[in-house]
Amino acid sequence: GAVVSQHPSWVICKSGTSVKIECRSLDFQATTMFWYRQFPKQSLMLMATSNEGSKATYEQGVEKDKFLINHASLTLSTLTVTSAHPEDSSFYICSGLGYLDTQYFGPGTRLTVL
Amino acid sequence: QQQVKQSPQSLIVQKGGISIINCAYENTAFDYFPWYQQFPGKGPALLIAIRPDVSEKKEGRFTISFNKSAKQFSLHIMDSQPGDSATYFCAAKLRGNKLVFGAGTILRVKS
Repeated sequence: GAVVSQHPSWVICKSGTSVKIECRSLDFQATTMFWYRQFPKQSLMLMATSNEGSKATYEQGVEKDKFLINHASLTLSTLTVTSAHPEDSSFYICSGLGYLDTQYFGPGTRLTVL
Repeated sequence: QQQVKQSPQSLIVQKGGISIINCAYENTAFDYFPWYQQFPGKGPALLIAIRPDVSEKKEGRFTISFNKSAKQFSLHIMDSQPGDSATYFCAAKLRGNKLVFGAGTILRVKS
């Protein structure tokens, strides 16, 4: 139980384009989902917290106009990287808040911006 | 004050040995302490977690020891296997369910 999926698992795009990443909780309802980014050999850095039906809360230093988060249902949250640039290349991971406030993580999405 | 300090940065253990990873925190508002295992190119997977009212929790080969007064907690992996080779992250949860992660420990188990 408590499975989270992400799509796509990897994406390559040109600089200036936008990319959407989907995060789904497959067997539980996640009223709260989190988005992280992880650079190689580094820890996870929280980008934002999204609650179903309301605006996301962004961590300090994260551009909310660049990283658009939508949490339209109890099982789906999306992250859109707008006007992506090479410095946005990273591993993006989502998590859903499940039973006993445990975070269950998705498999991650590798974004490469050329 | 929201940091979680994790050590060592990397660890090499012989097969069958005990792997020990330590974490320390300052913020007494943390109320939940999970450990995650991450393989390259994958998302973190929950291994085991503990709440501050318990001093030890064991699940199979994995044990968390928690010292509330010292604000420290550790992960012990008994009978370490090559398949345990991965990066391990400790974390601590704040109110609002945010997790603060340690820097990670790269474990290599030699066969």
